Amino acid sequence: SYVLTQAPPVSVAPGQTATITCGGNSIENKRVHWYQQRPGQAPVLVVYDDSDRPSGIPERFSGSNSGDTATLTISRVEAGDEADYYCHVWDSSSDHYVFGPGTKVTVL
Amino acid sequence: QVQLVESGGTVVQPGRALRLSCVASELIFSRFAMHWVRQAPGKGLEWVALISNDGSKEYYADSVKGRFTISRDNSKNTLFLQMNSLRRDDTAVYYCVKPGGGYYFDLWGQGTLVTVSS
Repeated sequence: SYVLTQAPPVSVAPGQTATITCGGNSIENKRVHWYQQRPGQAPVLVVYDDSDRPSGIPERFSGSNSGDTATLTISRVEAGDEADYYCHVWDSSSDHYVFGPGTKVTVL
Repeated sequence: QVQLVESGGTVVQPGRALRLSCVASELIFSRFAMHWVRQAPGKGLEWVALISNDGSKEYYADSVKGRFTISRDNSKNTLFLQMNSLRRDDTAVYYCVKPGGGYYFDLWGQGTLVTVSS
């Protein structure tokens, strides 16, 4: 089955940029989605189909996908961005939905 | 306000059964396929099951196939997850999830905690 990998925890100062990566074999051929999960809360969709944002999600959140790596970028990081971030794809070969293990973002 | 509200989570002994429910509000429930996703304590997200909008098709993660059954009652805007032969590693918060226009999840419930323990 398809496997996603995510980078180790990320620490970033307010106002700086956080970059979160998600790796998978030829992931560029899949549509990647990203969720933010704050402590004690349900996940929230922040980017879908590689780079689209749901309504209500700030433009500071952006996504890209190329080769074997998809990337979620958070610009001008704020304290409220501190959370776990999960990437997610649908694997057509197994008809299963796959999540990455998550990346914890800490705002210093 | 569109929302999903899960219920039914509790402490249950290994080998026993449990049924979770999820009620959808302010949503044309019958138009959408629905999913269950779970999260073990301190762990990541794991997709569990999917049911088509009319209930005719079901898909399961390998870890629950043959033990769990997803179903729905569109007349009551309710999604179910019947969990049989529960194991300790089924301990998790179970989320009811609505998909968006593609293969992503755009609405999550608040989750219900299932603890499998003797």
